[in-house]
Amino acid sequence: EAGVAQSPRYKIIEKRQSVAFWCNPISGHATLYWYQQILGQGPKLLIQFQNNGVVDDSQLPKDRFSAERLKGVDSTLKIQPAKLEDSAVYLCASIRGATGGDTQYFGPGTRLTVL
Amino acid sequence: GEDVEQSLFLSVREGDSSVINCTYTDSSSTYLYWYKQEPGAGLQLLTYIFSNMDMKQDQRLTVLLNKKDKHLSLRIADTQTGDSAIYFCADSGAGSYQLTFGKGTKLSVIP
Repeated sequence: EAGVAQSPRYKIIEKRQSVAFWCNPISGHATLYWYQQILGQGPKLLIQFQNNGVVDDSQLPKDRFSAERLKGVDSTLKIQPAKLEDSAVYLCASIRGATGGDTQYFGPGTRLTVL
Repeated sequence: GEDVEQSLFLSVREGDSSVINCTYTDSSSTYLYWYKQEPGAGLQLLTYIFSNMDMKQDQRLTVLLNKKDKHLSLRIADTQTGDSAIYFCADSGAGSYQLTFGKGTKLSVIP
């Protein structure tokens, strides 16, 4: 079974530029999460999807961040315009359903550096 | 909001046991998790415990849960250099299964 795929692995941009990240969850996994992990901290949830609907985006800075999961499979996370404080690793995770005993599988992440 | 606290660093000698501690505030947490993160990699689930259990053992790993004190610990027996990584404690809250993570404990294993 293939794992959670993310691309790109690394991205360097200047502040005020735009950037997009892509995630392909494990096949058949209905629930998808995006997390932001700032250096030295644990991951922080940005948004949760169930199929192609948003379950929770209360921690997503909506003035600059957007995310979508068209067709309930792949997802993209966009930042426009980027700020210095957005430098972080962006992790995507998926689980089959939404039950706590399910394993939440993480992708390798995209490391974003904003200069 | 919910909070998860961990000590930031732990150093042990190879072959000794490691104990990583975690406290959490959400009394409604259903599941509590331990994840491992190696440099440049994503998070790997090590083990989890259901909130109505007080202990779970899985090979070299032992998880202890004190629900009254909201304290979780991970014991790694016979620690090896390959266990060097950052270990995150996380709780699932009640029903949403969104994880709240601690800041992570960096485990260094001295040969």
